[in-house]
Amino acid sequence: DAKTTQPTSMDCAEGRAANLPCNHSTISGNEYVYWYRQIHSQGPQYIIHGLKNNETNEMASLIITEDRKSSTLILPHATLRDTAVYYCIVRVGPGSARQLTFGSGTQLTVLP
Amino acid sequence: EAQVTQNPRYLITVTGKKLTVTCSQNMNHEYMSWYRQDPGLGLRQIYYSMNVEVTDKGDVPEGYKVSRKEKRNFPLILESPSPNQTSLYFCASSPPTGENSPLHFGNGTRLTVT
Repeated sequence: DAKTTQPTSMDCAEGRAANLPCNHSTISGNEYVYWYRQIHSQGPQYIIHGLKNNETNEMASLIITEDRKSSTLILPHATLRDTAVYYCIVRVGPGSARQLTFGSGTQLTVLP
Repeated sequence: EAQVTQNPRYLITVTGKKLTVTCSQNMNHEYMSWYRQDPGLGLRQIYYSMNVEVTDKGDVPEGYKVSRKEKRNFPLILESPSPNQTSLYFCASSPPTGENSPLHFGNGTRLTVT
């Protein structure tokens, strides 16, 4: 699976959009981009995933560049409860069994 | 409720005393995995399993064993724990690798080896 690179930390004002970038320049054509977050020491929570089209769900939006080498997770109206470590990982699609590697993630702090 | 259950949540033990951390999922998932989390190192994969009786090493398998005799259970075994295995451990499961296969994580087991 491709490696990912994320900033170590980011701040965002409450109520504003939080934009979290991720670089995955070695991504393969059959690898999906997944985002998870971890609040304090709880188990990581799935947020969203995509292959090449932009995706939106009730939690967030995912923007993937046309060359698929980077993506951005957008939390449209950040709240204090969104303070967490956000992980971007890539995972192979159907038909393959691969180990998954999480990086160190981005610590997002939402400020009041 | 769909969930991954780990036990125990907290465990303090001494060097060399064999222990098992249990993991069970009720979603009929084929894929299961163990991670350890240490400050500054993120989540590192220990072992994973694609299905019953199929297991494979992750990034940091040394000092650990796993078994997958049933689909729902994936215990993590430390035959002779050492202090460097003090960590926060997470079990996760998912459907087979594919488009809609997000990982579901347990709530973690905090292990201290003295």
